[in-house]
Formats: sequence, C-alpha cells, structure tokens
Amino acid sequence: NAGVTQTPKFRILKIGQSMTLQCAQDMNHNYMYWYRQDPGMGLKLIYYSVGAGITDKGEVPNGYNVSRSTTEDFPLRLELAAPSQTSVYFCASSYGTGSYNEQFFGPGTRLTVL
Amino acid sequence: DAKTTQPNSMESNEEEPVHLPCNHSTISGTDYIHWYRQLPSQGPEYVIHGLTSNVNNRMASLAIAEDRKSSTLILHRATLRDAAVYYCSPGNQFYFGTGTSLTVIP
Repeated sequence: NAGVTQTPKFRILKIGQSMTLQCAQDMNHNYMYWYRQDPGMGLKLIYYSVGAGITDKGEVPNGYNVSRSTTEDFPLRLELAAPSQTSVYFCASSYGTGSYNEQFFGPGTRLTVL
Repeated sequence: DAKTTQPNSMESNEEEPVHLPCNHSTISGTDYIHWYRQLPSQGPEYVIHGLTSNVNNRMASLAIAEDRKSSTLILHRATLRDAAVYYCSPGNQFYFGTGTSLTVIP
C-alpha cells in the first residue's frame, strides 16, 4: 500500500493565483483531514471529511475549499492565494474518527505564496 | 477537543530513557490519548495510544495518570533516530499543540 500520497511536494504561487493540493489514500479509510503547519508551530485542522460527499470545517477553514467525491481522494483548493497561506500542508486519513482510530499522514506539500 | 501542555524542548543522551510529559486536564472520560512524532521534513507518524491503563508497543510505552489529566511517553533507550517533535493529542485528535522537540545527544 502507498498509504497517503500528496502532490505536489513543493509549489510557489503568486498572490491571487489558485491551485489544488491533491491527496489520495489507498487504505479504504472513511475519514480524511487537511492540516496546515506554520514554521515552529503545531498542526491546525483546515477541513475534514467523514465520507464521500460529506465535509466539515476545522479550526482554520477561511481561504480554502474541499470536496470529497470518492473515498480515495480529498483535494484542497486555494482560490485566491495570500502570503498568509504560506505553510506546509498535510493530508491524513483514518479508518474512523473519534477517539480510538489513529491518523495516517502524507509527506506534506510545502507552499510558498509570494 | 482537550488542549494540551507540553515542554517546548527536551534533551537526552543516547541509549538513556526519556520521559516526555503531557498535561491534558480537560480530557473527557471516554477520550483516548494518542501520541505522534514528526521527524524533520516529514509528516507526523503514530506512536502509541491508550485510555486508562499503561500501554506498551515496540516503539514506546505510555503511562497514564490515574486521574487521566496527564500522560507520559517513555522511550526506553533513546537513539539518534528518535530525535523528533512529539505531540500528544487527546480526544478526536483534531488538536495538535506545539509538541516537544527532543534532541538526542550522542
């Protein structure tokens, strides 16, 4: 199994540009998550999904959109990139949510907005 | 989700035990406590989790206080490959604080 994969690994955007960060998992997990990690900080939840067609906001959703049309894929969309969105983005998945099931993380996408 | 308090950094000599503490005083009665670690330039990886009893696996041990308001991750013999940021995450695991950066001294 490849686990959780993310593309691209690195990206530089200009202010106002848009892009989609891709995330896929092959573990048949129902739950998927997007986090951002600013330098020297912990992870902050952007959005999560409990299954195909169902998404919900996390702690820092402003400036982002998500969709979940299949179990495997959970893309994150940035519509109008801003310097404040410079960060490392991690996608994760888990079999279930709630307290018992651990999350599996992808390798991250490092995004710079200039 | 319960919030956490962890020391910003800790140091350990190689091959010595390391005790990494975490306070999670607002944890609810049914919340598990998960620990993750993040190696440099990588995504976090699961280490261990528990509810009430102490837990062991091949990577580490987890000691949970009787009142469940704190827990301690124990690395029995630190190696250079254990240098990482360690996060405790109680409850739904939506919250990851700033973690503890562990330095292992050869």
